[in-house]
Amino acid sequence: QVQLQESGPGLVKPSETLSLTCTVSGGSISDYYWSWIRQPPGKGLEWIGYVYFPGSTNYIPSLKSRVTMSIDTSKHQLSLKLTSVTAADTAVYYCARDPYGGADVFDIWGQGTMVTVSS
Amino acid sequence: QSVLTQPPSASGTPGQRVTISCSGSSSNIGRNTVSWYQQLPGTAPKLLIYSNNQRPSGVPDRFSGSKSGTSASLAISGLQSGDEADYYCATWDDNLKGVVFGGGTKLTVL
Repeated sequence: QVQLQESGPGLVKPSETLSLTCTVSGGSISDYYWSWIRQPPGKGLEWIGYVYFPGSTNYIPSLKSRVTMSIDTSKHQLSLKLTSVTAADTAVYYCARDPYGGADVFDIWGQGTMVTVSS
Repeated sequence: QSVLTQPPSASGTPGQRVTISCSGSSSNIGRNTVSWYQQLPGTAPKLLIYSNNQRPSGVPDRFSGSKSGTSASLAISGLQSGDEADYYCATWDDNLKGVVFGGGTKLTVL
């Protein structure tokens, strides 16, 4: 079965770039849309955007100027980069599969990775 | 403040039926389908309902969803202690051109 695993630094300094990877195993990475979703501590879910093969993207307007998502089919990986981070970017970051393409349905999620922005 | 409005909390006793509401607008729920997610403590969200009222394989039929106009609801019947979790609604917003989530409802089984 398809599994997702996020990875990356747990601590990022303010003004630096947050870089995360999501490894997709057990299924095709090129046949689906893939979203990144984050959850600040004790708060709700926020959709960041999606990417689909070969590299088309759509980002939430509030983060569009700072976000870059990409997909690497050879490594079965997705990546998320968020520049100029502040404490407000502290959150658990999830990658999730969207089987319907650009919709609100996320049927498989990674376990999430906690990223803290602090000096 | 979330685009979709959910009550912050809900509660019920074992065996009861509870409903959780999700209120939106014509640019989101009014035009698009709604999904629901269950997030048990310390875990990733899990898809519970999609396309307003469809259950993925493996989700018990105690969970049901509905939509009317610019609002949606999640109903849980035969409440169990294991249902204690946060529940989120989600849909596409045509104005924002992205997915929006409700603020979440914390369900307590008394």
